[in-house]
Formats: sequence, structure tokens, C-alpha cells
Amino acid sequence: EDQVTQSPEALRLQEGESSSLNCSYTVSGLRGLFWYRQDPGKGPEFLFTLYSAGEEKEKERLKATLTKKESFLHITAPKPEDSATYLCAVQDDSGTYKYIFGTGTRLKVLA
Amino acid sequence: KAGVTQTPRYLIKTRGQQVTLSCSPISGHRSVSWYQQTPGQGLQFLFEYFSETQRNKGNFPGRFSGRQFSNSRSEMNVSTLELGDSALYLCASSLRGGAETQYFGPGTRLLVL
Repeated sequence: EDQVTQSPEALRLQEGESSSLNCSYTVSGLRGLFWYRQDPGKGPEFLFTLYSAGEEKEKERLKATLTKKESFLHITAPKPEDSATYLCAVQDDSGTYKYIFGTGTRLKVLA
Repeated sequence: KAGVTQTPRYLIKTRGQQVTLSCSPISGHRSVSWYQQTPGQGLQFLFEYFSETQRNKGNFPGRFSGRQFSNSRSEMNVSTLELGDSALYLCASSLRGGAETQYFGPGTRLLVL
């Protein structure tokens, strides 16, 4: 069964303290991996899409990388406004059009 | 370009009632997916529609149903509401649904009393 596991569940960082969030997945074949940011009470906001191992995407202080079994979201010199829940999702190649989400990492950046 | 819109934003219902939620996708997007989000379970896939056809369904009881109209707008219906149906219901749209980026609406917060 396809599965997505995110770690850690929660993370507290000081402003400027870089770290990485992990998303490991078990799928028969990966069609795409997606990162979202979600603020409380709001819908997820799209960050990145990755399709193949070795691919990297960057946006401001965020960088997403992909291997055959996991993805990392690297946060460089975070600011308090980066505080949110970060969600990872995958779609496999079975043609089911299902996106399977992890339970997220709750990030808190302290000033 | 306008984003995904969902109405209503908040709902309070009592057990046994039914509810209909609406979603308008981004213009040009033909795939609409629905999700239930609760603190304990995270985002759970309900179903996905493309060109008025349901292509896939998650592991939810038959009380949860949906449909899509010719303009790609979608509705989901929950009949005989239970306390456990209290959740944030999210709609997401994409062009065709195949390994594409989905864009989410703000969600409908449903509280069942």
C-alpha cells in the first residue's frame, strides 16, 4: 500500500537556524511528489513539484530535493513567517489519480 | 487568474442532517479532487472528478458523494451527518489530474453537533 511518512512531526527553530524536513514514501512507481505549506484554518499553498530522483527546486529560503525513496525540504535561515505546517504528497503511476498526503511537519520559528 | 473558491466557508449542522458543499476550480482546470482534513488523520482523499466523471474514490462510506458539472464546478454531499464528519473539507483543482500540481481552495469548515 502506498504510504507517505513525514518527520519530524513538529520542529521548533530559532530565527536563522537552518534545518531540513523529511518526506519518505513507499509507492510502486512515483509520478510526482508535491510540497505544500498550510497555515492554520487555510487551504494548502503549493510550493514545489518534483518528478525524478536528483531533481531540485528552490524558492526563497526553501529548497526541495528528491531521491528514489525520500524528499527533503531544506529551510535556510528561516524567519518567523515561515512558521506553518509543511505537507508532502505523492502520486503513483497506477493511473488512479490519487494524491496521498503525509500528516505534515509543524514548523515554529522563534524570533 | 482567480483561485479555487469554496462555499460556504463555515457550516454548523446537527447529526442526521445532510450538507452540500460547492467548489469552483481555477478557470481551465477540469480535474477536481476533494479531501477531508482532521487533526488526527491529516488529509484524506475523498474522490476525484474529471469531465463530469468520477475517476477515483477514497475509502469513505457511501454517505459521501459528489458530482461535477459541465463547467467543471463540483459539489460534494454528505448525508446522515455524524459527529465524526466534523472537519475541514478541501477542494483542489488541476488541469487534468495526472501528476500535476493541485491548487487548493480555502476549505469549508463543517461542525456537526
